[in-house]
Amino acid sequence: AQTVTQSQPEMSVQEAETVTLSCTYDTSESDYYLFWYKQPPSRQMILVIRQEAYKQQNATENRFSVNFQKAAKSFSLKISDSQLGDAAMYFCAYSLDNNDMRFGAGTRLTVKP
Amino acid sequence: GAVVSQHPSRVICKSGTSVKIECRSLDFQATTMFWYRQFPKQSLMLMATSNEGSKATYEQGVEKDKFLINHASLTLSTLTVTSAHPEDSSFYICSASRSFNEKLFFGSGTQLSVL
Repeated sequence: AQTVTQSQPEMSVQEAETVTLSCTYDTSESDYYLFWYKQPPSRQMILVIRQEAYKQQNATENRFSVNFQKAAKSFSLKISDSQLGDAAMYFCAYSLDNNDMRFGAGTRLTVKP
Repeated sequence: GAVVSQHPSRVICKSGTSVKIECRSLDFQATTMFWYRQFPKQSLMLMATSNEGSKATYEQGVEKDKFLINHASLTLSTLTVTSAHPEDSSFYICSASRSFNEKLFFGSGTQLSVL
């Protein structure tokens, strides 16, 4: 069974600084998808970034980028120039087919002004 | 962009009653929808995969007779919590996509409180 582990229950960052959220996963598959989702207090799930395992290049979306280490089964999220609106729960997720997702336990990010 | 609508956003019911939650894809057809459950301060746990025109596929440990899923059309899936008990109180979220290669869209969730 695939598992996703987020070892940081809480993280804090100063506004405008950079923070990295960690995620590791376990799978025997070679092709799969990895995601980072943001869940603000509204509880609406918002896709932050997606990585396809067969692509070696790390995905980037504006201030958000990932460090995908396939051999190490690691998928960390870097948030640059942190903003107050980035404060939320962040979930790392794994999927074989881009649909059926397994989520990590989440990391609560606090942004200090 | 594609939108998934979930209704109701919040429901309170008495123990022993049944509650139905709807998940609609507003501007696309979804042959597959997913239902998740999220307890306070915890992650989303996949409950079942809802397939249009066929039976849902439930995850291990999820009672299919308690959580009835009906995917009657390409735009609507419903989750019915039957004979609800306080331990069923949770946040339920659905998701859907146009196809396997496209982005998954989430509903806004339903907070169920069973008294």
